[in-house]
Amino acid sequence: SQKIEQNSEALNIQEGKTATLTCNYTNYSPAYLQWYRQDPGRGPVFLLLIRENEKEKRKERLKVTFDTTLKQSLFHITASQPADSATYLCALGGSGTYKYIFGTGTRLKVLA
Amino acid sequence: DTGVSQNPRHKITKRGQNVTFRCDPISEHNRLYWYRQTLGQGPEFLTYFQNEAQLEKSRLLSDRFSAERPKGSFSTLEIQRTEQGDSAMYLCASSFKDREKEKLFFGSGTQLSVL
Repeated sequence: SQKIEQNSEALNIQEGKTATLTCNYTNYSPAYLQWYRQDPGRGPVFLLLIRENEKEKRKERLKVTFDTTLKQSLFHITASQPADSATYLCALGGSGTYKYIFGTGTRLKVLA
Repeated sequence: DTGVSQNPRHKITKRGQNVTFRCDPISEHNRLYWYRQTLGQGPEFLTYFQNEAQLEKSRLLSDRFSAERPKGSFSTLEIQRTEQGDSAMYLCASSFKDREKEKLFFGSGTQLSVL
């Protein structure tokens, strides 16, 4: 069955450093991959989308890579700030369906 | 953009009771989704509407769950004969049909607790 794995343990990093989060998947060939941010008690908020034919996408301090051979996406936050502390979810989408499959999320804590 | 609105924000009910949640999507969006999320897990797909048509439904959605979107605007999700395992956050999301169609806009969810 389709499976998405994200770092299950929380990631603590020092302010100003680069945070790198991982999303691995199996038994799936997504047409695109998305990253969302979720704060406690709130719904996820869309951050970035990367398609299967793209290697890298950037938006301000955020960067996403997508390696369909390794079946992996990396999500980077550069110059991290305490306000970046949240849970980050990756989601896979396929052609012909709008049933997105979400990972369990990685909790990031940026220490001041 | 007033965002996706969900009501109620919290619902506490006794096992065996029926509950109904409402979702008002962003007005220009014609796609609407329901997801369920439990603590420490990612959102789990339940169902998807394009306008008033329910186009996809998860096998997780038992006969006790039903969703409607009668006029292609707001949607309701009803759970009949609730069980303790139904306790979760129920999230609604919407998206455009054409531009940026993969981008989901989520509401803040309805937290259901079944006692």
